[in-house]
Amino acid sequence: DIVMTQSPDSLAVSLGERATINCRSSQSVLYSSNNQNYLAWYQHKPGQPPKLLIYWASSRESGVPDRFSGSGSGTDFTLTISSLQAEDVAVYYCQQYYSTPYTFGQGTKLEIK
Amino acid sequence: EVRLVESGGVVVQPGGSLRLSCAASGFTFDDYAMHWVRQAPGKGLQWVSLISWDGGTTYYADSVKGRFTISRDNSKNSLYLEMNSLRPEDTALYYCAKDSLTGGSHSGYFDTWGQGTLVSVSS
Repeated sequence: DIVMTQSPDSLAVSLGERATINCRSSQSVLYSSNNQNYLAWYQHKPGQPPKLLIYWASSRESGVPDRFSGSGSGTDFTLTISSLQAEDVAVYYCQQYYSTPYTFGQGTKLEIK
Repeated sequence: EVRLVESGGVVVQPGGSLRLSCAASGFTFDDYAMHWVRQAPGKGLQWVSLISWDGGTTYYADSVKGRFTISRDNSKNSLYLEMNSLRPEDTALYYCAKDSLTGGSHSGYFDTWGQGTLVSVSS
């Protein structure tokens, strides 16, 4: 199984500041035949289902604000929120879909400083 | 509007059985693979199972293989999860999730989730 490890486990950022969450996979999730990274990011708020933010490591889902961006390749990935808003408080998960069993990182709890 | 509504979650004793359902609407159900994903209390997300658009292909997490069975009825726009030999560690909020890719394949990431149904395995 591919193990996904996020850092940090929790993060406190001031409103308007940048938030950066890292995700590392135990093996590459870059599929050479199509040069795509099989990596997604989700936002999960209490009492709500998870929401897809980013897929293929850097493609933003429709309707997601452009302050959210994804980057990275191979085994190392980053979710960046360029200017933190109050509504961004949530737990964020990365997920690999390179191979089954699909696996998630342990989550990063993002709070306001 | 794309909508997924799970049902069937209850309190069940260890060793018991349960069937979860997920009613889909707002999209062409039989165009998409579907998944179950769960979240144990205070824990992260865990993918449970995948079924192809026609039900012909299924995959399971090792922790549920041989105990859980995923199925679908495209005529009813419904997804199911049959859960047998339930264990306390199966206690979780179970989400039905839609795969993002249409056209007879699957991507493995989830663009729509239901609100979840709670399963509690306890004596």
